[in-house]
Amino acid sequence: EVQLVESGGGLVQPGGSLRLSCAASGFSFNWYVMHWIRQAPGKGLVWVSRISHDATTTSYADSVKGRFTISRDNAKNTVYLQMNNLEAADTATYYCAADVSYKIDYWGQGTLVAVSS
Amino acid sequence: QSTLTQPASVSGSLGQSITISCTGSSSDVGRGNFVSWYQHHPGKAPKLIIYDVSQRPSGISDRFSGSKSGNTASLTISGLQADDEADYHCCSYAEFPTWVFGGGTKLAVI
Repeated sequence: EVQLVESGGGLVQPGGSLRLSCAASGFSFNWYVMHWIRQAPGKGLVWVSRISHDATTTSYADSVKGRFTISRDNAKNTVYLQMNNLEAADTATYYCAADVSYKIDYWGQGTLVAVSS
Repeated sequence: QSTLTQPASVSGSLGQSITISCTGSSSDVGRGNFVSWYQHHPGKAPKLIIYDVSQRPSGISDRFSGSKSGNTASLTISGLQADDEADYHCCSYAEFPTWVFGGGTKLAVI
């Protein structure tokens, strides 16, 4: 059974940091591009970041560039999102997702990040 | 990086058909065939229902179909069922290597 399990969300003050993790199982993790996608309350999905299957390339949405860093450990089947200098606008449920050939085959259930003083 | 434009909500009766549009630009929807659609029931993980504009993954009902004309992609659901009531999100590969989603459409089955 395919599973993507996010963790690391929570309440953080503006300017603070969080590190999200996503543990994958049930598929060949090292073949897949991995994404982080978020959804603010009552809003649509927003693509945040992506990392290639071999971690050689990364990309980011303009809104998080310079503040967020995506990484992965293929030996641990885990992808990470380091989030620094968090803003209220970053409040959302964060989903990790697995993509092969430009389609997201697998999604996690999400982890909630709330940025508030 | 802009957001693709979807209607906020659509509704249809059981057994009817509905179509959800997804309008982008020549930089995303119009640049290739990497448009996908996701069904999202609140509290659950989103689910891929259409990829490459019109392809259905294994196990997805043929009641779901996709198409594209220019910068606008469309999702059609025929023979509406109660369980189709969900949020639907379009997504397109954009300028390398980024992705863009639509704002989501809430489907009500009445």
